[in-house]
Amino acid sequence: GAVVSQHPSRVICKSGTSVKIECRSLDFQATTMFWYRQFPKKSLMLMATSNEGSKATYEQGVEKDKFLINHASLTLSTLTVTSAHPEDSSFYICSAIRPGAESGRSPYEQYFGPGTRLTVT
Amino acid sequence: GENVEQHPSTLSVQEGDSAVIKCTYSDSASNYFPWYKQELGKGPQLIIDIRSNVGEKKDQRIAVTLNKTAKHFSLHITETQPEDSAVYFCAASEVPGNQFYFGTGTSLTVIP
Repeated sequence: GAVVSQHPSRVICKSGTSVKIECRSLDFQATTMFWYRQFPKKSLMLMATSNEGSKATYEQGVEKDKFLINHASLTLSTLTVTSAHPEDSSFYICSAIRPGAESGRSPYEQYFGPGTRLTVT
Repeated sequence: GENVEQHPSTLSVQEGDSAVIKCTYSDSASNYFPWYKQELGKGPQLIIDIRSNVGEKKDQRIAVTLNKTAKHFSLHITETQPEDSAVYFCAASEVPGNQFYFGTGTSLTVIP
């Protein structure tokens, strides 16, 4: 399957600082990437849809000025948590939509990164 | 909007037995239904998917069935192994390009 990487895998930061998380599609170009947040033993909560070359679309209740998303290229999207607070501590996961169709495969496959564990102290 | 419900929330089976996880969806426009496996501390991994023009799809020990009329789809794992233990999520989407709506997850434990 396709590969999506995230960096860092784990980060601890102090309250009030900003943290940037990178999401890369390693072997395909992704015009659309998603950012999710996951609480322990819970499902994935979509935060925003990131489209290459345009502004991200944020879900209701997600502060766009706090969670800055930049989809600078077809293989890279970044999420910056600004002025982080302890309540921002969570598991952040990105995903990328693999476009195009190969024989026998769905053209709409969503591949997830390994996640980033953010802890704000 | 779409609403995806998933049952059961937890499931324990003996190694070698089958496991079945069921999901229902509400939006008849949804046409793509993937299943993901998530191991502890990792991102979800796509294990199988089905499109609305197909009723069943199988990949080795894993199969997915779809009933469009009833708006439900199921994941079937046969001959379960301890390494199948994980959290499984179903999802529904109206493709192309739209967001995915996830079920609440099923924690599967395969007892050796």
